[in-house]
Amino acid sequence: QKEVEQNSGPLSVPEGAIASLNCTYSDRGSQSFFWYRQYSGKSPELIMSIYSNGDKEDGRFTAQLNKASQYVSLLIRDSQPSDSATYLCAVRTGANSKLTFGKGITLSVRP
Amino acid sequence: KAGVTQTPRYLIKTRGQQVTLSCSPISGHRSVSWYQQTPGQGLQFLFEYFSETQRNKGNFPGRFSGRQFSNSRSEMNVSTLELGDSALYLCASSTMGQGYEQYFGPGTRLTVT
Repeated sequence: QKEVEQNSGPLSVPEGAIASLNCTYSDRGSQSFFWYRQYSGKSPELIMSIYSNGDKEDGRFTAQLNKASQYVSLLIRDSQPSDSATYLCAVRTGANSKLTFGKGITLSVRP
Repeated sequence: KAGVTQTPRYLIKTRGQQVTLSCSPISGHRSVSWYQQTPGQGLQFLFEYFSETQRNKGNFPGRFSGRQFSNSRSEMNVSTLELGDSALYLCASSTMGQGYEQYFGPGTRLTVT
């Protein structure tokens, strides 16, 4: 079983829609969860971090964490063409553990 | 604060040569991680250094090595380059706060011919 798994893509949504990106992880002891955005030819950029069950909102982005079900998701409201990128989910088990990344999902927002 | 910097940004090497890449973390960050990114394999963890000590290591051959200096700057070295080593090499530095958020540099694009 893959440590961090992201649902298969690519994902295409129309402009203005809600994009929903999901991620599951295998280690129940995981403590820290992150979403990165990576534009083509660029390095990953941290956009959200979440550590407790529930929702965390930042502008048009909402991260949702459910430790019991071992999933973390990212919702992008009012999607814009500029949101078109690959989104990487990353999980850290403990303070001294490495950050484990999923394979990423490519989002395309159609004008 | 200045971000993570990596040098050089682009590099072309010949198979069999060796290469050294450099990373300067965000000021105050003591942890530096290195990743290899290729289209087929995604982002793969190489190693992490904290206070000059290797704290975690990925599943890469011994040709890949790294070190960290007392000022937290880090270098990675790849010896006996192979064509498959062509990739984007990313360095990231981490905070000491909750979650140890990790911030990436722009990367070094290595092409092995």
